[in-house]
Amino acid sequence: DAGVTQSPTHLIKTRGQQVTLRCSPKSGHDTVSWYQQALGQGPQFIFQYYEEEERQRGNFPDRFSGHQFPNYSSELNVNALWLGDSALYLCASSRGAGRQETQYFGPGTRLLVL
Amino acid sequence: RKEVEQDPGPFNVPEGATVAFNCTYSNSASQSFFWYRQDCRKEPKLLMSVYSSGNEDGRFTAQLNRASQYISLLIRDSKLSDSATYLCVVNPRDDKIIFGKGTRLHILP
Repeated sequence: DAGVTQSPTHLIKTRGQQVTLRCSPKSGHDTVSWYQQALGQGPQFIFQYYEEEERQRGNFPDRFSGHQFPNYSSELNVNALWLGDSALYLCASSRGAGRQETQYFGPGTRLLVL
Repeated sequence: RKEVEQDPGPFNVPEGATVAFNCTYSNSASQSFFWYRQDCRKEPKLLMSVYSSGNEDGRFTAQLNRASQYISLLIRDSKLSDSATYLCVVNPRDDKIIFGKGTRLHILP
């Protein structure tokens, strides 16, 4: 039973560039949430996807966008990167948005913006 | 008041001791609560859910106090392997998952 997978594991970009991060949910899960975790902080909720739609969104600018595919995998896109976007980006999957289901996290993508 | 607050620590505790930390939340309508553990440079992993009646899993006990709006985690007979950051997670009614900043725990030999 494959867990949550994310790619790439590490990424280095420069200011102004765009980045796409990918996530495949745990088998049997249909909901994907994305989080940003800066050094020394807890994960901050970016948004959640269910049935290929963004269902919930945290306090992140429109530069952060996403997509969910029919196979439930998801992408996080960040445009016009800032230095402050450097962080660990975590994907978590669960079953059924709107229910109090446990989230399982992937290993994350470490993004460094220079 | 922040939505979810935790003492960042670090808590430096000798091996074998008991340690407890709390997490306070601001939204009284919050529906579910969890403790996650995060090792250095790793992803968070679910430690335990927190039920209204409290729950225990081996050396770990979690409790919820709705009146005072906090949850607690108690670790008995602490092991070196318990060293980690413990993240409090609150799921308000609108289903946005809110993490605390975490409490760092160092178990000393």
